[in-house]
Amino acid sequence: KNQVEQSPQSLIILEGKNCTLQCNYTVSPFSNLRWYKQDTGRGPVSLTIMTFSENTKSNGRYTATLDADTKQSSLHITASQLSDSASYICVVRGYGQNFVFGPGTRLSVLP
Amino acid sequence: EAGVAQSPRYKIIEKRQSVAFWCNPISGHATLYWYQQILGQGPKLLIQFQNNGVVDDSQLPKDRFSAERLKGVDSTLKIQPAKLEDSAVYLCASSLDQRDSYNEQFFGPGTRLTVL
Repeated sequence: KNQVEQSPQSLIILEGKNCTLQCNYTVSPFSNLRWYKQDTGRGPVSLTIMTFSENTKSNGRYTATLDADTKQSSLHITASQLSDSASYICVVRGYGQNFVFGPGTRLSVLP
Repeated sequence: EAGVAQSPRYKIIEKRQSVAFWCNPISGHATLYWYQQILGQGPKLLIQFQNNGVVDDSQLPKDRFSAERLKGVDSTLKIQPAKLEDSAVYLCASSLDQRDSYNEQFFGPGTRLTVL
């Protein structure tokens, strides 16, 4: 069964600190993986897309990694800001398949 | 470029009542999705349209939920009658063409439904 798991479920950090969110998946055959940011009361917004051949991709202070062999991805946030407080959802798509959503990690950045 | 529009943003109803949600996707997007997102969980696909045809409605509770996209543009999702467990955020998303695995989904702000 195609599944996406994320850890931790929730995370609290102080402003300016770094953090790493994890995503494990069993979707096969793998096509791509996206990390979405969902602010409270809003729809998810794509941060980055990773394909099979990509190991690392950055978008500002966000850096995503992908290990297609172990079927793991991570999202690293550098120098966190209060505006980073949100849910981060990992979404995996297999070829010819629909999107499989993870449950999300709820990040709270405190001043 | 205008984003995905949804209305209403909030709705409170009593159980057994009916409710309808409206979605206007990004212009030119052939694929439209309706998701249900329960608090603390990731979105769950309810139904997917390609133009005005249904591609996947396997997780749509068809005894009470219905959706249509008659002209291949706007879409409505209806619940009749509503149950307490339908309380959730209903997200609409669109993409250029779901047959391209790399197409990005763009989400609307969602409709928060509370069933009392």
